[in-house]
Amino acid sequence: GDSVTQMEGPVTLSEEAFLTINCTYTATGYPSLFWYVQYPGEGLQLLLKATKADDKGSNKGFEATYRKETTSFHLEKGSVQVSDSAVYFCALSDRSGGSNYKLTFGKGTLLTVNP
Amino acid sequence: DVKVTQSSRYLVKRTGEKVFLECVQDMDHENMFWYRQDPGLGLRLIYFSYDVKMKEKGDIPEGYSVSREKKERFSLILESASTNQTSMYLCASSYERSTDTQYFGPGTRLTVL
Repeated sequence: GDSVTQMEGPVTLSEEAFLTINCTYTATGYPSLFWYVQYPGEGLQLLLKATKADDKGSNKGFEATYRKETTSFHLEKGSVQVSDSAVYFCALSDRSGGSNYKLTFGKGTLLTVNP
Repeated sequence: DVKVTQSSRYLVKRTGEKVFLECVQDMDHENMFWYRQDPGLGLRLIYFSYDVKMKEKGDIPEGYSVSREKKERFSLILESASTNQTSMYLCASSYERSTDTQYFGPGTRLTVL
């Protein structure tokens, strides 16, 4: 079945540091890939997505590139801010199976950015 | 903006009680989902619905049921709450086949004593 493995947290960085959160996936078909973010006390919101190989998703200074050859979708940001402190979830939607509505999530990575 | 609302942010119930969690979305989405979120386990899908009166089991449906009588509303029911159902419950919705993006509500933190 489909699965998503992401970097274990927590991750603690100083403001303006470079961020990478690794994400790899296993899927039977041709998935869409997502990063969701959950700020404290809130639900999840979509951060960025990519729907095919070599696509780059970007938003709010975050980027991730869909790498089919390495089955990866690593999240990066060049300079983090305190306001980026949140839990980040990598997810996939595999459209080749019978249920193309479902998302499979990783376990989440807690990021804390200190001033 | 898409809005997904959940009936309560915090709920405390006793073992054996019947519990209803309500979710409403205002964007005419076909698909609706219920997840539970637990530390170290991420999000796990309980049930989802792709149309009114239609439902499918997710990965962990045991101990739960759902109801979707109207397109905008999706209810999660705990028939007899147990302490291992203490969790954060998240509702989400999405269009049928557009971009697969799911839109989430703020969550209900349920404590079963």
